[in-house]
Amino acid sequence: DSGVTQTPKHLITATGQRVTLRCSPRSGDLSVYWYQQSLDQGLQFLIQYYNGEERAKGNILERFSAQQFPDLHSELNLSSLELGDSALYFCASSPRQGAYEQYFGPGTRLTVT
Amino acid sequence: EDQVTQSPEALRLQEGESSSLNCSYTVSGLRGLFWYRQDPGKGPEFLFTLYSAGEEKEKERLKATLTKKESFLHITAPKPEDSATYLCAVQASSNYGQNFVFGPGTRLSVLP
Repeated sequence: DSGVTQTPKHLITATGQRVTLRCSPRSGDLSVYWYQQSLDQGLQFLIQYYNGEERAKGNILERFSAQQFPDLHSELNLSSLELGDSALYFCASSPRQGAYEQYFGPGTRLTVT
Repeated sequence: EDQVTQSPEALRLQEGESSSLNCSYTVSGLRGLFWYRQDPGKGPEFLFTLYSAGEEKEKERLKATLTKKESFLHITAPKPEDSATYLCAVQASSNYGQNFVFGPGTRLSVLP
C-alpha cells in the first residue's frame, strides 16, 4: 500500500458526459501527478501540481482539467467524454519538487460506453 | 522530443536464470531516471532512482545502472514473485517546466 488513495475504483459512463476523479496523496506529500494508462499508449503524464499550484503539463487534452485543494487532495475533471478516454487513470505523489520518486495510487478504471 | 524505449518487450526466464532489461532514452535535459514495477491492474511501485552516468543502485535481486544513453535493470537469480512489468521513466527539463516520460515496459515472467 503506497498511502495514495483514489476514488472511485471503477467508473462507467456514456459519451459526452463529465466525471471527476479524486486523489489523496501520501501524508506530507506536496506534489500530485496525474497519468493516463491505456493499452496502446502506455503511461502518459497529464499534469502536476505542487502545493496547490500547477507545475508541469504533459499531454493533457483541453477537455480535461485538474486542481489541487488546500488540504492537498486533487481532482481530475474529464468532460465531453469520448470512447477513446477509456483507460486507467493514476494519481501519484511525491514529497517535494525536483527529481524524486513518485508513489502511485491504485488507479481509477474509466469505461466510456 | 523526449523518448524512452525498452527492450525486450517480453522476457520469460526460468527461476534462477539471471538476465538484464534495457531502457534507452533521448531527452533534452535528464533530471532523473526511474525504475518501477507494475503488477496487472495495479499502480506502479517505485524501485530505483538514478541521477548521473555511472551510478548504480541495488535492492535484493535487482541492480540498476545508468549510462549517458541507457539504463539496465539486472535481475539476479529471479524468483516467480519477480514476475511483473518493469517500467523505466525519465524526468526531463523542458520548455514547459518538466516532462515525465514512461517507456512501454518489459513484461517479465519467471517460471518455477
